Amino acid sequence: QVQLVQSGAEVKKPGASVKVSCKASGYTFTGYYMHWVRQAPGQGLEWMGWINPNSGGTNYAQKFKGRVTMARDTSISTAYMALSGLRSDDTAVYFCARDLGDTLTTTAWLDPWGQGTLVTVSS
Amino acid sequence: EIVLTQSPATLSLSPGERATLSCRASQSLSSNLAWYQQKPGQAPRLLLYDASNRATGIPARFSGSGSGTDFTLTISSLEPEDFAVYYCQQRSNWLTFGGGTKVEIK
Repeated sequence: QVQLVQSGAEVKKPGASVKVSCKASGYTFTGYYMHWVRQAPGQGLEWMGWINPNSGGTNYAQKFKGRVTMARDTSISTAYMALSGLRSDDTAVYFCARDLGDTLTTTAWLDPWGQGTLVTVSS
Repeated sequence: EIVLTQSPATLSLSPGERATLSCRASQSLSSNLAWYQQKPGQAPRLLLYDASNRATGIPARFSGSGSGTDFTLTISSLEPEDFAVYYCQQRSNWLTFGGGTKVEIK
């Protein structure tokens, strides 16, 4: 079955960077866009961007441009999201989520999701 | 940016009752809307996409309707596992989510 397994929780100081991984299994990794979404404690969902694992092409939400980098390693079917210049309001659970459609019929509907990675930014 | 406004913020119902959740968009989405369910400590799960298509494995008690700016998620008869937070999401202009509706046990 399709599964996305994310790396473990991180604690970072303000100004630092964090890199979260998302290992995919059960499908052809290069065949589907991967999205990243975050959720601050007790808050709603915020889309950060996507990566095309086949080409490496990316598209970032305006809010995160200049601070976020999405990458992939096709040899190990893993996507990465790095966020720099961390602030306290970056404290959130970060999710990877696969696009419902393949790269030829991308949909921007998200299914399934990884289990989430808590990133805490605190001095 | 397209803003999605969900109402009510909280819905208090009993098992077996019908739940009706609303999502209103700041501009027309055609049918470019999805619904997700999220339980505490879990990732969201896709329920419906293209406003009314159920995702794989989603029970028939979940249905969606609407187009343009007004959308509705209906749960015909609440099961104990349906008490959760529900989010709508649009894809017409980038991706944005609504603020969520919590369906709680009355």
